[in-house]
Amino acid sequence: DAGVTQSPTHLIKTRGQQVTLRCSPKSGHDTVSWYQQALGQGPQFIFQYYEEEERQRGNFPDRFSGHQFPNYSSELNVNALLLGDSALYLCASSFEENNPDTQYFGPGTRLTVL
Amino acid sequence: QKEVEQNSGPLSVPEGAIASLNCTYSDRGSQSFFWYRQYSGKSPELIMSIYSNGDKEDGRFTAQLNKASQYVSLLIRDSQPSDSATYLCAVNTGNQFYFGTGTSLTVIP
Repeated sequence: DAGVTQSPTHLIKTRGQQVTLRCSPKSGHDTVSWYQQALGQGPQFIFQYYEEEERQRGNFPDRFSGHQFPNYSSELNVNALLLGDSALYLCASSFEENNPDTQYFGPGTRLTVL
Repeated sequence: QKEVEQNSGPLSVPEGAIASLNCTYSDRGSQSFFWYRQYSGKSPELIMSIYSNGDKEDGRFTAQLNKASQYVSLLIRDSQPSDSATYLCAVNTGNQFYFGTGTSLTVIP
């Protein structure tokens, strides 16, 4: 049973650049949520995708956008990168019709902005 | 006021002891509560979920929920060195998950 996968594992960008992170949900899951985890902090909710629509959004600026594809995989895009965007970006998946709030996390993408 | 608050620790317990981790939340409408374990450099791993007042046991782990006091706790019995990690409390409020900053636990052999 394939778990949640994310790519790339690590990424280094410079200020002002744009980045795209990718997530494939656990087999059978249809909902994908994205989180940002700064060092020493808990994950912060960015947004959630279900049925290819953004269903919920946390307190993040419009520079953060996403997409969900028909196969339930998802992308997180961040434009105009700031130093403060350096963090571990986590994707979590769940199955809407059965325990929708039981989320399983992927290994994360470590983004460093220089 | 933060949505979810945890004592950041660090908390140290000897091997075999009971570790007690606590969490409070601010939104009385919150319906579901979770404990995640996160090893250094890794992603969070779900340990327990709890939805109703009272205790829920799973192996060496017991989650306790008191909605009147807006309080969630996690007890780890017979603590092992492999339990050394950061424990994150999460609360689902209005379909958004709020995490605490985590409590660092060290189990001393």
